Amino acid sequence: DIQMTQSPSSLSASVGDRVTITCRASQSISSYVNWYQQKPGKAPKLLIYAALSLQSGVPSRFSGSGSGTDFTLTISSLQPEDFATYYCQQSYSTPQTFGQGTKLEIK
Amino acid sequence: QVQLVQSGAEVKKPGASVKVSCKTSGYTFTGYYMHWVRQAPGQGLEWMGRINPNSGGTNYVQKFQGRVTMTRDTSISTAYMELSRLRSDDTAVYYCARATYYYFSGSMPYDALDIWGQGTMVTVSS
Repeated sequence: DIQMTQSPSSLSASVGDRVTITCRASQSISSYVNWYQQKPGKAPKLLIYAALSLQSGVPSRFSGSGSGTDFTLTISSLQPEDFATYYCQQSYSTPQTFGQGTKLEIK
Repeated sequence: QVQLVQSGAEVKKPGASVKVSCKTSGYTFTGYYMHWVRQAPGQGLEWMGRINPNSGGTNYVQKFQGRVTMTRDTSISTAYMELSRLRSDDTAVYYCARATYYYFSGSMPYDALDIWGQGTMVTVSS
């Protein structure tokens, strides 16, 4: 199975900050990475698919990059509604696997 | 609009089975794979498997093989996930999620979970 390792596990930041979350795959997975946002008590929401494509309706302050084994999710200017937990997921092969999550908290 | 509506919370005893339903609307049910993902309290997301609603073909995570069954009823656009021989560590929120495929020239298609159900809490306790 492909392991997805996210870093950091948690992050404190302020409104307006630029934030980057990293995900590393245990083997090369081309661009088969998706990113999700989850708020407490809610289902995850798709932000980015295929490593860098923005899902319809998602604000442009979210962006994704990377290929092979290293991927990043960047939020260019944090807004109050962005404080949540973020997960990467690989869809290169089954079983599809998620990273362990990054909790983004208000500083 | 596109919706996935799951069945309500369940409380089960160890060793019992649970069957969670996921009723879809607003799109062609047989045109999109349905995935199942679970989340234990305070923990991350765990992919369990998926079903092709058109063919009924399934892929399951090895750890659930023999305990999980994913099925569908195309006449009512509903997917099901049944988990048997429940243990306390199966206590979790179970989500169904629709997979959409995205096509780019020169590459195999990409899929991502673009629509999610609201989740079903399954509690396993004696």
